[in-house]
Amino acid sequence: SQQGEEDPQALSIQEGENATMNCSYKTSINNLQWYRQNSGRGLVHLILIRSNEREKHSGRLRVTLDTSKKSSSLLITASRAADTASYFCATDAGGYALNFGKGTSLLVTP
Amino acid sequence: DTAVSQTPKYLVTQMGNDKSIKCEQNLGHDTMYWYKQDSKKFLKIMFSYNNKELIINETVPNRFSPKSPDKAHLNLHINSLELGDSAVYFCASSHPGLRDNEQFFGPGTRLTVL
Repeated sequence: SQQGEEDPQALSIQEGENATMNCSYKTSINNLQWYRQNSGRGLVHLILIRSNEREKHSGRLRVTLDTSKKSSSLLITASRAADTASYFCATDAGGYALNFGKGTSLLVTP
Repeated sequence: DTAVSQTPKYLVTQMGNDKSIKCEQNLGHDTMYWYKQDSKKFLKIMFSYNNKELIINETVPNRFSPKSPDKAHLNLHINSLELGDSAVYFCASSHPGLRDNEQFFGPGTRLTVL
């Protein structure tokens, strides 16, 4: 069953700007993960945040998690044209498979 | 040295045909998955195998049959293909318990049923 919902569905920004994507989910989770999918390619893991963490950084990525609101956000700072892709949040509720949202399509223009 | 590989990358076929997609991972993971991504990019789990045993079988028509000859391989066979089966199918693997079930995806197989 679908778990995550990303917002916005599409985002268009210029190089150098920050991009923020949000994800909401419905049930308790062990962790929440963000993946990137370039056009015509498979998904690539970006960052994972555990349910007992509130914020995590990795390079230009910053992810937050609010378990009381069942929501997460992914911030990409100083975006580049190469960041153009679809971004998905996925929740791990302790089973094996992840539940993915519908994704946010990010377009970064030079 | 590809971690998760799938073949073929593209598959175009007629309705009613039977086809297979193969997946292999060289990461030593115990668990493998098949996901289906529809035209709206929604990604949904179909099957999951752990050490060659089926552990997840979502509501998928029984025309779809996964087979895992060993823990490095998970193939997907589809009988009597229908138009609605057109999608991109992704294989993935993980080692739950290590790295918090981070999943590694193959490049996908784009199936088009005519």
